[in-house]
Amino acid sequence: EAGVAQSPRYKIIEKRQSVAFWCNPISGHATLYWYQQILGQGPKLLIQFQNNGVVDDSQLPKDRFSAERLKGVDSTLKIQPAKLEDSAVYLCASSLESRNSPLHFGNGTRLTVT
Amino acid sequence: EDQVTQSPEALRLQEGESSSLNCSYTVSGLRGLFWYRQDPGKGPEFLFTLYSAGEEKEKERLKATLTKKESFLHITAPKPEDSATYLCAVQGSSASKIIFGSGTRLSIRP
Repeated sequence: EAGVAQSPRYKIIEKRQSVAFWCNPISGHATLYWYQQILGQGPKLLIQFQNNGVVDDSQLPKDRFSAERLKGVDSTLKIQPAKLEDSAVYLCASSLESRNSPLHFGNGTRLTVT
Repeated sequence: EDQVTQSPEALRLQEGESSSLNCSYTVSGLRGLFWYRQDPGKGPEFLFTLYSAGEEKEKERLKATLTKKESFLHITAPKPEDSATYLCAVQGSSASKIIFGSGTRLSIRP
């Protein structure tokens, strides 16, 4: 089966600019996640979707980050405006269900904010 | 609040030298504990899910075990290709979100 697709792989922007990341999950996976992974740390959940709806966005900085899942399939994560501390790898993952199902990750987008 | 702590942060072994990685967790009602492998520049790759204390799972040179407070990832006679960061994650019954530890960077010298 095809894996989770993410683009772009790398992005360099200046602070206060905006950026968007795209994710296409594994076909048939109802649950989609966006994680932020800072160098040397484990992934931190930003937002979790179940089909079209948001299940958890408690750690999403809503003043600058937004995310949507289109028709329960693809998703985009946007940062506007970016800060230096947003430099990280943004990982998208999907799973069959929200409970007991392992996550399948894409290879992420590495964001550098200068 | 659910929490996951992994130790050591980094581990360097000689090829063939067996060892264990630790994952301590605090969660209200464990629904599942997950182990992942992450290579540089890649997303985490799923290895195992453990659901209850006493459970064990094996895959090649790796064996994962689970108690009520921690999980161990035992690596037997490791090879250089086992070098990676190993991540532990938990899902509690009160929430569906999966929380990750900071990982153990494992390096195997030939």
